[in-house]
Amino acid sequence: GAGVSQTPSNKVTEKGKYVELRCDPISGHTALYWYRQSLGQGPEFLIYFQGTGAADDSGLPNDRFFAVRPEGSVSTLKIQRTERGDSAVYLCASSLSLAGGPPYNEQFFGPGTRLTVL
Amino acid sequence: TQLLEQSPQFLSIQEGENLTVYCNSSSVFSSLQWYRQEPGEGPVLLVTVVTGGEVKKLKRLTFQFGDARKDSSLHITAAQPGDTGLYLCAQSGEYGNKLVFGAGTILRVKS
Repeated sequence: GAGVSQTPSNKVTEKGKYVELRCDPISGHTALYWYRQSLGQGPEFLIYFQGTGAADDSGLPNDRFFAVRPEGSVSTLKIQRTERGDSAVYLCASSLSLAGGPPYNEQFFGPGTRLTVL
Repeated sequence: TQLLEQSPQFLSIQEGENLTVYCNSSSVFSSLQWYRQEPGEGPVLLVTVVTGGEVKKLKRLTFQFGDARKDSSLHITAAQPGDTGLYLCAQSGEYGNKLVFGAGTILRVKS
């Protein structure tokens, strides 16, 4: 079946602009996660959802970052007033559920969106 | 947040050689996961280790979890160019959800 898909694959924007990054999880997966990966680093947790609600948004760096999942499937990560330091690959992952241990909470990652802020 | 240290940062070897990469922490892991990431792709789960002293094998890859559950290693036998990639270790959070990753080891296998 189809894996996690993310659009766009690349996004170039100017400092101060607003951007939206989209994630389509694997069908039937109730949990969805966002991570950010800077060059030379491992992914860093941002937020995760169980269904429509954000279960933990403790990784969002500041209030310029916001994510939604209105129907419990597709999610959008929104960044306002982008800064050069926001440049990174934004990864989305989904799992069958949050609880239950492996394999239920095994996370499957999408290919990411590479965001470049000029 | 527990800090995961991975070593070496970068490894370049010839096809057919063996190698080991390491993941260490000052605190005890509840469980540890190893991922492989190729350029332009997201990480792909290779294995989860849970029990201290546990050894898991996946073809030419051998994963070991330290007895004290503070360290883990990944050993690759007879490396192939297809093994090239970024190898990441990660610990799941308190409730097994958000993952905390190390910085990774970049492996390049030359033919």
